[in-house]
Amino acid sequence: QKEVEQDPGPLSVPEGAIVSLNCTYSNSAFQYFMWYRQYSRKGPELLMYTYSSGNKEDGRFTAQVDKSSKYISLFIRDSQPSDSATYLCAMRGYGNNRLAFGKGNQVVVIP
Amino acid sequence: GAGVSQSPRYKVAKRGQDVALRCDPISGHVSLFWYQQALGQGPEFLTYFQNEAQLDKSGLPSDRFFAERPEGSVSTLKIQRTQQEDSAVYLCASSPTFGLAGLQETQYFGPGTRLLVL
Repeated sequence: QKEVEQDPGPLSVPEGAIVSLNCTYSNSAFQYFMWYRQYSRKGPELLMYTYSSGNKEDGRFTAQVDKSSKYISLFIRDSQPSDSATYLCAMRGYGNNRLAFGKGNQVVVIP
Repeated sequence: GAGVSQSPRYKVAKRGQDVALRCDPISGHVSLFWYQQALGQGPEFLTYFQNEAQLDKSGLPSDRFFAERPEGSVSTLKIQRTQQEDSAVYLCASSPTFGLAGLQETQYFGPGTRLLVL
């Protein structure tokens, strides 16, 4: 079993819908949680970064962490065609810089 | 400012050839990482440098993989005697510091080198 599980199934939604993505993890040492967005043939770019349980909002994006359940989520409100990309969850432990990634979810927002 | 750059962007190699992939991190960034991303997968950690010191190479899949960062800036990932299973995108990332919590620990990724071994 991988340390980070992310159901890699593609997701197709109409413009304006809410996109909901999630990851589970098994390593309780993970303390920092990130969501990266990766456009086709580009490197991942950081979207959200959080280190405590609860919600963090940034514009149309909300990251949610539940450390007790080892579960993190990303919500995208009012989705736009420009949000079409692969979304990767990533996490690491304190004092350990190596990131553990999920497989990624390919999201397509249909105009 | 300039982000992380990688070259070449694409590389086709015949099985058994040696390849060298270059990474130019963001100027002044202390930490540098290499990841391997197979098709349809998330990036997998390969190795980590703090300045010129290679502090973690536990992710390198075999002794055919070798990385260096001799002056604490540019890094090269070398793969000897390439095999078909080495085909992947090789991502380089850099971050400003090590050991501090918060956004300063963010890793900034380059566009990757897409390696195809025939």
